[in-house]
Amino acid sequence: QQQVKQSPQSLIVQKGGISIINCAYENTAFDYFPWYQQFPGKGPALLIAIRPDVSEKKEGRFTISFNKSAKQFSLHIMDSQPGDSATYFCAASTGGYNKLIFGAGTRLAVHP
Amino acid sequence: KAGVTQTPRYLIKTRGQQVTLSCSPISGHRSVSWYQQTPGQGLQFLFEYFSETQRNKGNFPGRFSGRQFSNSRSEMNVSTLELGDSALYLCASSPDTGQGREFFGPGTRLTVL
Repeated sequence: QQQVKQSPQSLIVQKGGISIINCAYENTAFDYFPWYQQFPGKGPALLIAIRPDVSEKKEGRFTISFNKSAKQFSLHIMDSQPGDSATYFCAASTGGYNKLIFGAGTRLAVHP
Repeated sequence: KAGVTQTPRYLIKTRGQQVTLSCSPISGHRSVSWYQQTPGQGLQFLFEYFSETQRNKGNFPGRFSGRQFSNSRSEMNVSTLELGDSALYLCASSPDTGQGREFFGPGTRLTVL
């Protein structure tokens, strides 16, 4: 199976709060898990990515947690800001080719 | 470095026509991938080109085709357009193949009437 399942579909967080978006996958051949951020009228922008040999990766306010045994990974946005309001996509790919399988997306709204 | 550029940004066509979209990757990037984004189906992979060769193809009909030139620029073509082809078509470039680090352009918004 090639699917990547993402939840929730939408999320409302207060400024300063933590935003958490979850993804699950089935294909154990996936070995690269990026997160993309997309603003209206723009293409997706790579935020942060992880490979299955580590359980966590942090870049600024963004953290990926990866659970290989559960085949799940999540994005945590600490100290969420109104400027973080966007649609977030998780994705996965297998080595050898640039072919990203995307989750359905999460629309995040951070209220001031 | 300049980002991925796509032309045109907006396009309106009628059913049955064909269309060609263009993508210029980031300088030095040799891999170009194409994706279709729709509200119903989300982001779906169309195909990837590396060094003028199609490396991988998604589950789209043969009406969707592409090519890559020696300067890494890429075009995709959709023939016999259908209403369901209305979408945002995104191009992504990567410095290599197989690493997954793809950088997206702003997309071409295609509307089929």
